[in-house]
Amino acid sequence: EAQVTQNPRYLITVTGKKLTVTCSQNMNHEYMSWYRQDPGLGLRQIYYSMNVEVTDKGDVPEGYKVSRKEKRNFPLILESPSPNQTSLYFCATVTGGTEAFFGQGTRLTVV
Amino acid sequence: GIQVEQSPPDLILQEGANSTLRCNFSDSVNNLQWFHQNPWGQLINLFYIPSGTKQNGRLSATTVATERYSLLYISSSQTTDSGVYFCAVGLVQLTFGSGTQLTVLP
Repeated sequence: EAQVTQNPRYLITVTGKKLTVTCSQNMNHEYMSWYRQDPGLGLRQIYYSMNVEVTDKGDVPEGYKVSRKEKRNFPLILESPSPNQTSLYFCATVTGGTEAFFGQGTRLTVV
Repeated sequence: GIQVEQSPPDLILQEGANSTLRCNFSDSVNNLQWFHQNPWGQLINLFYIPSGTKQNGRLSATTVATERYSLLYISSSQTTDSGVYFCAVGLVQLTFGSGTQLTVLP
C-alpha cells in the first residue's frame, strides 16, 4: 500500500526548542514537498525536493530547513520555533509525475 | 503565478441532495486534483483530472481545460461527505484553491 507517513501527528513545544517532523514514503518517488495550512491563508508550500540532495524553497520557507539525504525521507526542521509557526503541516509525494499524495498531517503548537 | 478560485465558499445540504462545486484557474494546467479534507484534517485524494470526466461512486468530476475550470459533482450526499473540498493545480508545487466547506445535515 502506498503510504506517506509523518511523525509526530501532534506536537506541543516551547519557543526556541529545536524540533524535527519526519516524513517517509514507500513509493520510491523523486518528488516530495512540505506544506502548512493556516485558517484564512489556505495551504502554502514551504520547501520541495526534486530528488536526493536537490531541495528548493517554496512560498513560505522562512524559519524552516529541510534535507533529502535519501529518497524515502524528507524531514522538516524548525531550528528555533516561534508561535507563528503554529500550524497544520503536511508532507506530500508525487507519483509518476502526476498525482500528489499527502501524509496524515502534523498539528504543531508552539507556546 | 496561477490563481485558483473555488465556489461556493460554503455549502449546506440536506442528506440526499446533490451538489456541484466549481474550480476556476487562471492559466492552462497539465495537472489538476480534487481533495477532500475530512473533519480530522486528513487530505484524501478524490480525482486526478487534468481533462475529461471521471466517476467514482457518488462522486464525479469534469475538467474543461480549454475553458479553465473543473467541476466536482456529489450526488445523494451523506453526512460523511462533510468537510472541505479543495482543488489544486501544479505538480511538485501545488497551488490550492481556498476550498468549499460542505456541511451535510442528517
